Amino acid sequence: EAQVTQNPRYLITVTGKKLTVTCSQNMNHEYMSWYRQDPGLGLRQIYYSMNVEVTDKGDVPEGYKVSRKEKRNFPLILESPSPNQTSLYFCASSFGTGDSPLHFGNGTRLTVT
Amino acid sequence: SQQGEEDPQALSIQEGENATMNCSYKTSINNLQWYRQNSGRGLVHLILIRSNEREKHSGRLRVTLDTSKKSSSLLITASRAADTASYFCAPVLSNDYKLSFGAGTTVTVRA
Repeated sequence: EAQVTQNPRYLITVTGKKLTVTCSQNMNHEYMSWYRQDPGLGLRQIYYSMNVEVTDKGDVPEGYKVSRKEKRNFPLILESPSPNQTSLYFCASSFGTGDSPLHFGNGTRLTVT
Repeated sequence: SQQGEEDPQALSIQEGENATMNCSYKTSINNLQWYRQNSGRGLVHLILIRSNEREKHSGRLRVTLDTSKKSSSLLITASRAADTASYFCAPVLSNDYKLSFGAGTTVTVRA
């Protein structure tokens, strides 16, 4: 089944403790992206990648890192999480051409205390 | 990239009624995509309309695009409880694939 898989689904952590949210897709998509969703603010793009070893900042990249060493994986790294990074995170992928729809994972709800 | 602005923010209708929501954007686009999000889940792609199209249908969904007004509308006909969700539009620029999303329209269908 074609899908974008994020793990974990829920994560509670403390300020400053490094964490990684994994994202994997099995559709051979070139484009992958991370979003965060906060009430009233819609989805804001954190980072995106057009292909292996190519990553770019989105609208809210501060406090996050990503890597794209393989086509299928695009992990999101929070080196020193803070409470303002408490949010619902989504990974998405597509073929990256103008008319390609995005396929989303089921989300990771992160709470930083 | 640019994000669309959905209007209204929220909409409550009776089962069987139609629901209409609008999307406005600022610059020329290649296409515009509509997505649905069920509570707390990932967005699901509904329909894509290209800049040279004026109207498109998919089942109970009808999307229109007016590039002169830089706006699009999504109509859901004969709504069902399962249509309760948030709906987002994403304008795709001609030279920039990045998809950005606004705050969406939250639709509640009452039984």
